[in-house]
Amino acid sequence: SYELTQPPSVSVSPGQTASITCSGDKLADKYICWYQQKPGQSPVVVIYEDRKRPSGIPERFSGSNSGNTATLTIRGTQGMDEADYYCQTWDRSTVIFGGGTKLTVL
Amino acid sequence: QITLKESGPTLVKPTQTLTLTCTFSGFSLTTTGVAVNWIRQPPGKALEWLALIYWDDDNRYSPSLKNRLTITKDTSKNQVVLTMTNMDLVDTATYYCAQSVTNGPFHYWGQGTLVTVSS
Repeated sequence: SYELTQPPSVSVSPGQTASITCSGDKLADKYICWYQQKPGQSPVVVIYEDRKRPSGIPERFSGSNSGNTATLTIRGTQGMDEADYYCQTWDRSTVIFGGGTKLTVL
Repeated sequence: QITLKESGPTLVKPTQTLTLTCTFSGFSLTTTGVAVNWIRQPPGKALEWLALIYWDDDNRYSPSLKNRLTITKDTSKNQVVLTMTNMDLVDTATYYCAQSVTNGPFHYWGQGTLVTVSS
């Protein structure tokens, strides 16, 4: 079955750029979504179709997808961005989530 | 305004069958391309997709759990029901329902419901 692999944790200093990767076989052939989840809350889409931002999501969030790796980039990271981030795609009409990455802003 | 809300027991015993209901509003599960999904998250762990049902009654299940899951819909009540048989301690999780359209992102999620499996 298809798998998505994320690093368990990423740390970034406030104001710097955070990059969270998501790897999968020929991932560029699929669309990737990214979700942000804060403690006790439901996930929120921050990027869909590789690079599109829903309304209300700050411009500092961006996405890319090439080869076997998709990347969520947060420029000018703020304390409020500290959260778990999950990548997600579809494979044969089933849904695949990555294992999640805990972003720490310190 | 699209909303979804999960309901069901908060506590089940091992080997019992879990039945969860997702009640939604603001969209119709008869509209082409629309689906309702179930996703769960054990405490401190990652999201895990379980199942979906499409507007046309087609459904999909997680390969690892398909033998235990059944998803159905009642369009007249705007509800989707998930049953999971033979519950185990490792099935303790927050269970979410979420809407998708044409295999797109989950823009709308319920608040989740915590189900604890314990004897």
